[in-house]
Amino acid sequence: AQSVTQLDSHVSVSEGTPVLLRCNYSSSYSPSLFWYVQHPNKGLQLLLKYTSAATLVKGINGFEAEFKKSETSFHLTKPSAHMSDAAEYFCVVSDTGGFKTIFGAGTRLFVKA
Amino acid sequence: EAGVAQSPRYKIIEKRQSVAFWCNPISGHATLYWYQQILGQGPKLLIQFQNNGVVDDSQLPKDRFSAERLKGVDSTLKIQPAKLEDSAVYLCASSPYTGGGTEAFFGQGTRLTVV
Repeated sequence: AQSVTQLDSHVSVSEGTPVLLRCNYSSSYSPSLFWYVQHPNKGLQLLLKYTSAATLVKGINGFEAEFKKSETSFHLTKPSAHMSDAAEYFCVVSDTGGFKTIFGAGTRLFVKA
Repeated sequence: EAGVAQSPRYKIIEKRQSVAFWCNPISGHATLYWYQQILGQGPKLLIQFQNNGVVDDSQLPKDRFSAERLKGVDSTLKIQPAKLEDSAVYLCASSPYTGGGTEAFFGQGTRLTVV
C-alpha cells in the first residue's frame, strides 16, 4: 500500500531565507515521487520528479529535492525564497509497477517581505 | 502547445440535481485522469483512462458518479444526483505516457458548489 505524509500544513519564511517542505512516503514498490505547485486559481504545475535516477533532483524555479530511501523522505528545498513562491505544494507518490497515484494533503507556503 | 481545457470553470447546483464536466486533454495524450480536490485537501484520483479504457476507478462513487472518454480523446464526468459533500474542485489531467510513475499535466479545474 502507498501513502504520503506532508509533515507541515503551513510553512512561513521570510523572503531570501531557505525553504524546507517535508514529505515522507510509503510504497510497496519502487516509487516515483513528484512535487507539484498550485498557485491560487491556477492549475497544478510539476516542479520536479524522481524516477530512480539521481537521488538529488533539480526542478524549476530553483527548487530541488533529495530522495532518501533509508528515511523514506523526499523533502523539497530552495536556498532563497521569493515572494512568487507563495503557493500550495503537494508531494505525490506513484507506483511504477501499476497505476496508483496518491497526493499528500499539501503544504501552504507563506513568504513574508 | 495548448494545455488541458476544462469547462465550466464554476458551477453551482442544488443537491439532488445533476451536473456534468467536460475535459479536453492535450492532443496525443494517451492517459486521462479525473481528480476531486476538496477544500484543504490534496487531490484524490477518481478515475484514470488509458486511451478509452478504464485502468483505475476504485475511488469513484459509482452509485452517483460516471465518466466516459469518447474515442480516447475528450472526457466527461457526471454526478447524478449531487450531494452537499460533492462540493469540490474537479481536476482533469492528461499524460503522454502510459503506466504508473509518470507526471501529468493539469487543467484549471471546475469548482462545484452544491447548495
